[in-house]
Amino acid sequence: DAMVIQNPRYQVTQFGKPVTLSCSQTLNHNVMYWYQQKSSQAPKLLFHYYDKDFNNEADTPDNFQSRRPNTSFCFLDIRSPGLGDAAMYLCATSRGGFASTDTQYFGPGTRLTVL
Amino acid sequence: GIQVEQSPPDLILQEGANSTLRCNFSDSVNNLQWFHQNPWGQLINLFYIPSGTKQNGRLSATTVATERYSLLYISSSQTTDSGVYFCAVGGANTGNQFYFGTGTSLTVIP
Repeated sequence: DAMVIQNPRYQVTQFGKPVTLSCSQTLNHNVMYWYQQKSSQAPKLLFHYYDKDFNNEADTPDNFQSRRPNTSFCFLDIRSPGLGDAAMYLCATSRGGFASTDTQYFGPGTRLTVL
Repeated sequence: GIQVEQSPPDLILQEGANSTLRCNFSDSVNNLQWFHQNPWGQLINLFYIPSGTKQNGRLSATTVATERYSLLYISSSQTTDSGVYFCAVGGANTGNQFYFGTGTSLTVIP
């Protein structure tokens, strides 16, 4: 049973054309994360939500925004994609909590191509 | 944040060989996970192991939290073990954030 679902799996967009990536989860986890992963690099955290509480990484460009309308869904909006934004985008969830002593579960990722 | 380094960066093994991957971290952690990223990009949980030793089939992991390192052992490697192995850590003072290591790229050849 799929637990963290990402759509689409592959997305092609044009330079400067807004794009939205989708993530949903069936785990009822409190925390949802968005990571960017470029070729041969480790995943880089862009931001995360604890419930509705949004936490932005200091070096995440303003071009990247996120929405979490409910517990199950989280969206990544790239307002004006540049060639440097081509990457794999990974969504993850965790139960969350004070001690952060739980497991992260990842979706399959969306591979974004910018033409 | 917590700095996480993995070694070796690249590893090529003959099928059937054993290997040890290492993860060093710069601060105390209360969460450590090992992941395998397959060629399609999916990150698969291998172990949640902030301390102690665990085994799952041909894989086992040990974390020595006081010395700030973790080891992942792969025995009798198979071609399906190929991919990139990441460790990711979280600390008591880092909230819900996880910090990924630099990864070890493993290639198992038949």
